[in-house]
Amino acid sequence: EVQLLESGGGLVQPGGSLTLSCAASGFTFSSYAMNWVRQAPGKGLEWVSSIRDSGGSTYYTDSVEGRFTTSRENSENTLYLQMSSLRADDTAVYYCAKGTCSGGSCAFDFWGQGTPVTVSS
Amino acid sequence: AIRMTQSPSSFSASTGDRVTITCRASQTISSYLAWYQQKPGKAPKLLIYAASTLQSGVPSRFSGSGSGTDFTLTISCLQSEDFATYFCQQYYSYPYTFGQGSKLEIK
Repeated sequence: EVQLLESGGGLVQPGGSLTLSCAASGFTFSSYAMNWVRQAPGKGLEWVSSIRDSGGSTYYTDSVEGRFTTSRENSENTLYLQMSSLRADDTAVYYCAKGTCSGGSCAFDFWGQGTPVTVSS
Repeated sequence: AIRMTQSPSSFSASTGDRVTITCRASQTISSYLAWYQQKPGKAPKLLIYAASTLQSGVPSRFSGSGSGTDFTLTISCLQSEDFATYFCQQYYSYPYTFGQGSKLEIK
């Protein structure tokens, strides 16, 4: 059974930093692209970042480029999202999601339960 | 970025009804279109990918169609557990983008 378990969310002041983790199990983690998606309170879904299976390529939405870094440790089946220079509009539930890919383009077939991040003073 | 526009944004229907949600992309995305269902307080669930391929374990009353810029999600016979919010997503190119959501409520 595929399981994705996010952790590391919490309350952080504007300008602060936070690192989210996503522990994966039930599939060969190193063979799949992984993704972060967020959802602000009462809002829709927003893709944040993707990382290829090898970790060699990463992609970001414009609003987090240069502030967030996605990485993975395939030996530990873990995905990370390092967030810095956090702003109030980064407040959201952050989901990690496994990619199901065709030719490098990926839908998201399994999602974690999400971890909330609140940026506030 | 490719803009995804869903309609309707919200609507009501009754158990047993057939409903259709549409999603339009601002430029062609071939068939790189997914549909997700989300219930309050829960993570999204993949229903359809590649515009028309049913995800394993999803009931056959869900179906998807379309290619290029215009897509539809159809639920053939609404069940009580189908009342939720539905999102389309293009994964043709980065940045991946979602539609704004279509909230389906009980009439």
